[in-house]
Amino acid sequence: DAEITQSPRHKITETGRQVTLACHQTWNHNNMFWYRQDLGHGLRLIHYSYGVQDTNKGEVSDGYSVSRSNTEDLPLTLESAASSQTSVYFCASSRDSNHEQYFGPGTRLTVT
Amino acid sequence: QQQVKQSPQSLIVQKGGISIINCAYENTAFDYFPWYQQFPGKGPALLIAIRPDVSEKKEGRFTISFNKSAKQFSLHIMDSQPGDSATYFCAATGANNLFFGTGTRLTVIP
Repeated sequence: DAEITQSPRHKITETGRQVTLACHQTWNHNNMFWYRQDLGHGLRLIHYSYGVQDTNKGEVSDGYSVSRSNTEDLPLTLESAASSQTSVYFCASSRDSNHEQYFGPGTRLTVT
Repeated sequence: QQQVKQSPQSLIVQKGGISIINCAYENTAFDYFPWYQQFPGKGPALLIAIRPDVSEKKEGRFTISFNKSAKQFSLHIMDSQPGDSATYFCAATGANNLFFGTGTRLTVIP
């Protein structure tokens, strides 16, 4: 069955370190998204991609970057982790629009 | 600025009762309004969605009511069950982005 996976599921890192969260989908979806989820804020869009080599900034992109070298993967990199980036991160994908996004299981990141 | 405002933040309902969650938006360019359901430790999953050309959509016990003139939409869960206990997010699509409400934690008491 097609699916979307994220790794690691849990990560603890120190302030200032570079961290990369992986997202892999097997639906062959063109569109992929990264969100962070925090209490009181719901889900906020970090970055998104509409295809290979395409990346766009979302609502809360500062301190994050993505790259899209193939259809299946959209890794999220925190260049220099900060305590404010402690959150649960969700990756999502959709076939050809912003409609009907399918979410991964999430990565809980703690920055100490 | 929150593009989609959702209320209440939490809701407790007796089994068999009706759960109602409300959302409001400002941007009239939004053209798709989905609701997502999220269980603890899981990612959100699409529950039901509506487009602004209809006023109501029903799927089983779940109904979306949409009021275009008031820029409001709501989720009604009929005959609420303990298995419905989850966090519900409304959302709206526009400008190539999906904007989420802040979520409602629903607890259905047996």
